[in-house]
This record gives sequence, structure tokens and C-alpha cells, in this order.
Amino acid sequence: EAQVTQNPRYLITVTGKKLTVTCSQNMNHEYMSWYRQDPGLGLRQIYYSMNVEVTDKGDVPEGYKVSRKEKRNFPLILESPSPNQTSLYFCASSYGTSSYEQYFGPGTRLTVT
Amino acid sequence: EDQVTQSPEALRLQEGESSSLNCSYTVSGLRGLFWYRQDPGKGPEFLFTLYSAGEEKEKERLKATLTKKESFLHITAPKPEDSATYLCAVRENTDKLIFGTGTRLQVFP
Repeated sequence: EAQVTQNPRYLITVTGKKLTVTCSQNMNHEYMSWYRQDPGLGLRQIYYSMNVEVTDKGDVPEGYKVSRKEKRNFPLILESPSPNQTSLYFCASSYGTSSYEQYFGPGTRLTVT
Repeated sequence: EDQVTQSPEALRLQEGESSSLNCSYTVSGLRGLFWYRQDPGKGPEFLFTLYSAGEEKEKERLKATLTKKESFLHITAPKPEDSATYLCAVRENTDKLIFGTGTRLQVFP
């Protein structure tokens, strides 16, 4: 089944404790992206990657890191999480090197206390 | 500043009562406008892509249209299963995607 998977689905952590949210797709997509979704603010793009070893900042990249060492994986790293990073996070992927029809993962709900 | 605004924020319809959702945008160089559906607790699901003014796309009870400054998602004779949040997004020159905050649609039997 074609899908985007994210792990973990739920995470509660403390300020400053490094964490990684994994994202994997099995559709051989070139374009992958991370978003956060907050009430009243909608979906905001954090980082995107048009291919292996190519990443670029979205609208809200501060406090986040990403890497794209393999085509199928695009982990999101929070080196020192803070409470304002409490949010619902989505990973997405699409064909080609542009943000056309995107397939979204099920989401990761992160709480930073 | 690039912006995407959706209206109304929420819409309640009786089953069979047709209506339209609006997405207005100001971006420097539109390279695509996208509509997504999002059910509670799930990731958005792709519906349509529109590229140029005058373009229309249809899927079941949904029809999306595009002008130079806005897009409409028309819902004809909606059913309760059409209840969801509908998101609009635009792709600008830099390949970023900018999403609106969505319209929460509720359809009552």
C-alpha cells in the first residue's frame, strides 16, 4: 500500500531534550516536506526537500533540522525543543521535484513541557 | 507578503443545500493552487490542482474553479460524509506551499 508513515504518532517530552520524528514514504517520491499545524494558523511549512541531499527552508524553520540521506526518509530533528514547538506535525511527499499532489502522513502530536 | 485567505471559517449546511467555499490569494507568481480535504485527526487528502485562470476540475459533488485572484470550491447537493475541513494552498515561485487556515464544513441530514 502506497503511504507516508510517521513515528512516533504521539510524543510528550521536556524542554531541551533532543528528539527525532521519522518520516518514510514507499512511493519513490522525490519531493518531501514537513509541516506544523496549529489552531488558527493553519499548516505552515517547516522544511522541504526536492531530492536526496537537497533541502530548503519553509516559512517556519527556526528550531528544526532535517536531513535527506535516502530518497524514502526525511527525519525532522528538534535539537532543543521548547514549549512553543508543541504542535501537530505532518510529513508529506509528492512526485517530481515540485510540490504537486502531496500525500500526507497521519501526523505526530508533540507536546513539550 | 504572500497570503492565502479562506472564507467562511465555518459553514453549516443541510444535506442537499449547495454552497461555495472561497480561497483568495496574493502571491508573487502563482505556480499552482491546491485543494485538500482534512478529516479530524488525519492528514490532509489531495483533491484538486488548478494552474491557470479559467481552469475547472470536478470530482463527484465537488467542483473547483480558479480566477486570477481567487478560487472557489463548489459543493453540489452535499451529503453528511462531505463534512470535513477544506484547505486551500498555493505554490509560489520558490516552491514553497502556503496554506490557508481552512473552512470547516458540517453537513446535517
